[in-house]
Formats: sequence, C-alpha cells, structure tokens
Amino acid sequence: NAGVTQTPKFRVLKTGQSMTLLCAQDMNHEYMYWYRQDPGMGLRLIHYSVGEGTTAKGEVPDGYNVSRLKKQNFLLGLESAAPSQTSVYFCASHPVSGTGGYEQYFGPGTRLTVT
Amino acid sequence: GENVEQHPSTLSVQEGDSAVIKCTYSDSASNYFPWYKQELGKRPQLIIDIRSNVGEKKDQRIAVTLNKTAKHFSLHITETQPEDSAVYFCAARPPPSNTGKLIFGQGTTLQVKP
Repeated sequence: NAGVTQTPKFRVLKTGQSMTLLCAQDMNHEYMYWYRQDPGMGLRLIHYSVGEGTTAKGEVPDGYNVSRLKKQNFLLGLESAAPSQTSVYFCASHPVSGTGGYEQYFGPGTRLTVT
Repeated sequence: GENVEQHPSTLSVQEGDSAVIKCTYSDSASNYFPWYKQELGKRPQLIIDIRSNVGEKKDQRIAVTLNKTAKHFSLHITETQPEDSAVYFCAARPPPSNTGKLIFGQGTTLQVKP
C-alpha cells in the first residue's frame, strides 16, 4: 500500500514551458487536492476533486488546470510556466466524509523551479 | 471566503517547556479544525483535530482547544522534546463541508532546544 505518490519529485522548467504533475493514490479515496507551499504562506489550495470526473477551483487556481479521469489519479497541469509558480506542490486525498474521519493524506511533494 | 491567521510564525522553547500556537478563523460556519506537523523535507501529517461541537481534545502531550464564540483555536504541546521541532499548520474546514477542503494558516516553526 503506497498511499499517495507524486511524480516527479523535482523539476526545473524554463518560463513558458508546460508540464504535468501526477498524483496517484491506492486507498480508494474519493476526494483529492492540489496545494502549493511557499515560505511564510502555508499550504494554499489550487484545485480539488470530490470524485472521478469532477474538479473545482481552490484559493489560487490561476495558471493551473487539473483533470481527474480516473479515481486514483489527479493531474495538475501548467500550460505556460512562470517564475511565480516556483514552489513545492503537494497532493492530498481523503475518503468520503464520515467513513474514516477527515484526515487528508499527503504525498511527498514535488519541488518545481521555473527559471 | 474563510481566512485563517496563525501566530506566532516562529517559536523557540527549551526542552521540557510548553509550547502554544494560536489560530483564528473568519467563517463562523467552519466546523472542523485539524493540526498538521511537517518535519523538514517531509510531507504534512495530521497530529490532532477537533470538531466544532467539542471544546477540547487531548492526546498524550498534545491538546487542542476551541473557542467558537471568539473563533479561535490553539495547539498546546507539553513537555516538549527535540523531536517536536517542526513546522505546525492549523486549518479550518469552511462550508460546504462535503467538499472536504481545508484552509490552512501560514505555519509556525517550532524549535525545541535541548
């Protein structure tokens, strides 16, 4: 049982390049989230999904797109990377509320640098 | 939308002392308040949480208190140990609760000096 995994662990992009971050969970969780973590700003929610085929905007969605085509995977895309998107990105998941508590399980993070 | 403020941003204590971290939230309808610990280079992990119908919850050396009237909640760590050194995040879950989404505070870096 791997829990929540993220690919890649590190990436360096040039301004204007695109990339996709993959989050996968093997816990059959319904809910998945993408956060970015910047010094002094905590964890800010980018997008989230409450089930396969659904997505919704979080606090800081601009410049990012997401897709949840399979229940176990949640993809975060950057179409045209900007230096302001340099950050550590965390994915998280949790089961439907009430069936196991409300704990969000985090992946190990992806460190992205945009030059 | 919900806003969570966390203080202090850094906290240094001697081993064995207590540490208190405070958070305030803006949406009175928020009903779930977890605390996450993040060690250097690691992922955040839940250490304790409290729901809005409870005033206090304790788990060994850590406790959380909630004051719904004042819209603030606090993390208390007693008998601190060097392994408690980490960044701590509070969070609040605003409505609608069926999204499960959390709004996090800015984080507190706790240093426990041996």
